[in-house]
Amino acid sequence: SQTIHQWPATLVQPVGSPLSLECTVEGTSNPNLYWYRQAAGRGLQLLFYSVGIGQISSEVPQNLSASRPQDRQFILSSKKLLLSDSGFYLCAWSVLRGRYNEQFFGPGTRLTVL
Amino acid sequence: GNSVTQMEGPVTLSEEAFLTINCTYTATGYPSLFWYVQYPGEGLQLLLKATKADDKGSNKGFEATYRKETTSFHLEKGSVQVSDSAVYFCALSEGNDMRFGAGTRLTVKP
Repeated sequence: SQTIHQWPATLVQPVGSPLSLECTVEGTSNPNLYWYRQAAGRGLQLLFYSVGIGQISSEVPQNLSASRPQDRQFILSSKKLLLSDSGFYLCAWSVLRGRYNEQFFGPGTRLTVL
Repeated sequence: GNSVTQMEGPVTLSEEAFLTINCTYTATGYPSLFWYVQYPGEGLQLLLKATKADDKGSNKGFEATYRKETTSFHLEKGSVQVSDSAVYFCALSEGNDMRFGAGTRLTVKP
């Protein structure tokens, strides 16, 4: 069966520090991968998605970046965190089932920037 | 483009009350529709889905029917429990495009 891991589970970082969040998927190959952010009490904001190694699409301009160095690894990074980067970060993978994608989410990383 | 609109929360109900969370969509083609649930501090879990018009998705006592004529996929449960307290997201998928609603927070009181 497929599983998705995210770490760390929680993170407290000072403003201006770098960030690296990691997501890995097991039990599937060539998945689409996604990074979402959920601000407190808000909905999901799609940040990045990837359809293959080295292929990253950005949905919104920001100080975050993403990389996919391996088929089942997706990394979210920042060189300098802002207060507004605080939130709950969710990684997801999907598989195309005929006409639609079904997404599966990781447990999330809660990031607090102080 | 494709989009999803769901009723704003929060919704507060007493245990055993009837639940409806409205969801409507806009799509250019024939999307598949989903409800996801997010319990406190966790990621999203797929609750139910429907892949074509008139399909009914159901799981854990929750139901939703894909209504093409009204472009809706309302979530219902006949008798909610305290353990149903969570945030519920309506979503659509068409090919590689997936869209989520803003989420509706449900609180069930004993």
